[in-house]
Amino acid sequence: EAGVTQFPSHSVIEKGQTVTLRCDPISGHDNLYWYRRVMGKEIKFLLHFVKESKQDESGMPNNRFLAERTGGTYSTLKVQPAELEDSGVYFCASSAITRPRETQYFGPGTRLLVL
Amino acid sequence: GQQLNQSPQSMFIQEGEDVSMNCTSSSIFNTWLWYKQEPGEGPVLLIALYKAGELTSNGRLTAQFGITRKDSFLNISASIPSDVGIYFCAGRSVTGANNLFFGTGTRLTVIP
Repeated sequence: EAGVTQFPSHSVIEKGQTVTLRCDPISGHDNLYWYRRVMGKEIKFLLHFVKESKQDESGMPNNRFLAERTGGTYSTLKVQPAELEDSGVYFCASSAITRPRETQYFGPGTRLLVL
Repeated sequence: GQQLNQSPQSMFIQEGEDVSMNCTSSSIFNTWLWYKQEPGEGPVLLIALYKAGELTSNGRLTAQFGITRKDSFLNISASIPSDVGIYFCAGRSVTGANNLFFGTGTRLTVIP
């Protein structure tokens, strides 16, 4: 069974440009999460989809970030316009069930560098 | 938001030594998890803990869910070179949200 995949693996863009990250969860997983790790800091939650609905987007930093999950399958995270502080590793995770014993499976991440 | 303090930040140890790392939170969690991240990969779940006081092993790894529900530790016995990586603790709050709160990670280097 394929794991969580993310595309691209790396992205280098200039400040002010737009970048779209994609996540394909494990097939059949209704829950999809986006997290971000800024250099040297903790991995921080961004948002949570259940199927195509946003269950919790309390971690989204500002309105330059837009996440979608049309059809409840893959998800995209768009940053427009990108700023220097958006640099970091963006992880996607998916799970089949929620509490109490949910296991979130993480993708390899997209390493974003904004110059 | 929730704060998880993970220590140490980094460790350099000789192959065969035991390793211990821990995490404390500013509030109560009902789940503690330990993940390992290797270069170019995402975090992989090592051990999950769901009850205060729970002690769980996975091979050479042992982790415990603290009685206060605000802390957890991970021990690795008889380290080997492939233990190299970044270890993250993570917790799930009692508030009802499903998202995980992560520590800042412990970077482990094993010297053969």
